[in-house]
Amino acid sequence: GENVEQHPSTLSVQEGDSAVIKCTYSDSASNYFPWYKQELGKGPQLIIDIRSNVGEKKDQRIAVTLNKTAKHFSLHITETQPEDSAVYFCAARTPNAGKSTFGDGTTLTVKP
Amino acid sequence: IAGITQAPTSQILAAGRRMTLRCTQDMRHNAMYWYRQDLGLGLRLIHYSNTAGTTGKGEVPDGYSVSRANTDDFPLTLASAVPSQTSVYFCASSDRDRERPYSNQPQHFGDGTRLSIL
Repeated sequence: GENVEQHPSTLSVQEGDSAVIKCTYSDSASNYFPWYKQELGKGPQLIIDIRSNVGEKKDQRIAVTLNKTAKHFSLHITETQPEDSAVYFCAARTPNAGKSTFGDGTTLTVKP
Repeated sequence: IAGITQAPTSQILAAGRRMTLRCTQDMRHNAMYWYRQDLGLGLRLIHYSNTAGTTGKGEVPDGYSVSRANTDDFPLTLASAVPSQTSVYFCASSDRDRERPYSNQPQHFGDGTRLSIL
């Protein structure tokens, strides 16, 4: 089955700096890669996603890049703010699969 | 507000007891999922259902059962709780793209049930 590895497990940045979280996946058939943000005491919420027919997607301060050949994708957050502090999860999903495989999460701390 | 409702929000349970975690969605999503979240292990899939009347096993199904009698409800049952089932449980749902039936769609999560087994 699919295996997703996420790095780093913790990340601390200064407000205004950029943050990058990386994930690798094992199943070359995977074609959908969402990123979720989880705040304390809440369930994960989708922040951005990318499909395999696209190499990059951007939404304001958040961007995701996908390298299908290397089987890795990354989340980029620019101009970080304290409210970006949360746990971020990547996931990979294969066509027609009934399920996604999640990375183990990255705890991002943005220091004011 | 449309979304997923989980109940209870938290529970302390004696080992050996039976417990059902409830999950209801009002978005008419086809697929529903149960995950457990343990520190350092991320989200692990317990069971899922692609449509009402069908269920499937995830990574960690042992000790859990589910049913999907209708579109909106997807209860998770622990037949005889054990301390290793202490965790935070999340229910999620996802829709099916009507123009691309097999297209993957994002999952919507509830706020979780915090379960402690003593």
